[in-house]
Amino acid sequence: QKEVEQNSGPLSVPEGAIASLNCTYSDRVSQSFFWYRQYSGKSPELIMSIYSNGDKEDGRFTAQLNKASQYVSLLIRDSQPSDSATYLCAVSGSSNTGKLIFGQGTTLQVKP
Amino acid sequence: EADIYQTPRYLVIGTGKKITLECSQTMGHDKMYWYQQDPGMELHLIHYSYGVNSTEKGDLSSESTVSRIRTEHFPLTLESARPSHTSQYLCASTGNGNQPQHFGDGTRLSIL
Repeated sequence: QKEVEQNSGPLSVPEGAIASLNCTYSDRVSQSFFWYRQYSGKSPELIMSIYSNGDKEDGRFTAQLNKASQYVSLLIRDSQPSDSATYLCAVSGSSNTGKLIFGQGTTLQVKP
Repeated sequence: EADIYQTPRYLVIGTGKKITLECSQTMGHDKMYWYQQDPGMELHLIHYSYGVNSTEKGDLSSESTVSRIRTEHFPLTLESARPSHTSQYLCASTGNGNQPQHFGDGTRLSIL
């Protein structure tokens, strides 16, 4: 079992719909959780950080964290074709190294 | 906006050459990282550093080496490039605590 798991997709949604991206992790003591967006051929770009249980909203993005279930998700409302990218879930390791464990990423396709 | 810079952005070079990929950040971050990523594939950590004179190997074995003589500078060197080294190399840094990593634009390396 991978330490951070994501469905590789592709996840295809119509323009204007809500895209739901999911991630599970295995280390119960993980403290920090991040979502990165990566366009093809580009570097990862941070879009959300979440540290405590519950929801965190930023514009069209909402991150949800449930530490008991070891589950973190990203909702994208009013999806746009420009949201088409690979979304990487990243979880901090248990030691204070700053190292992140990345999932394999979910490819999102938003169709006009 | 994170200030982390990688040069060159693209490099096409022949087998057997010595290569140095540059990474610099102006944020005073102690922790820096090198990742390797093939197209459409996962990020793999190959080197990291907690500060000056500190370097560690990452999760993926790599023939490259790194140095950390100054806080802001974390170069990666390949002594004798081979076609198997063809990949994208991404540099990242983070501050103390549970902060996210910020990535440079990457170097796309092609060994002929």
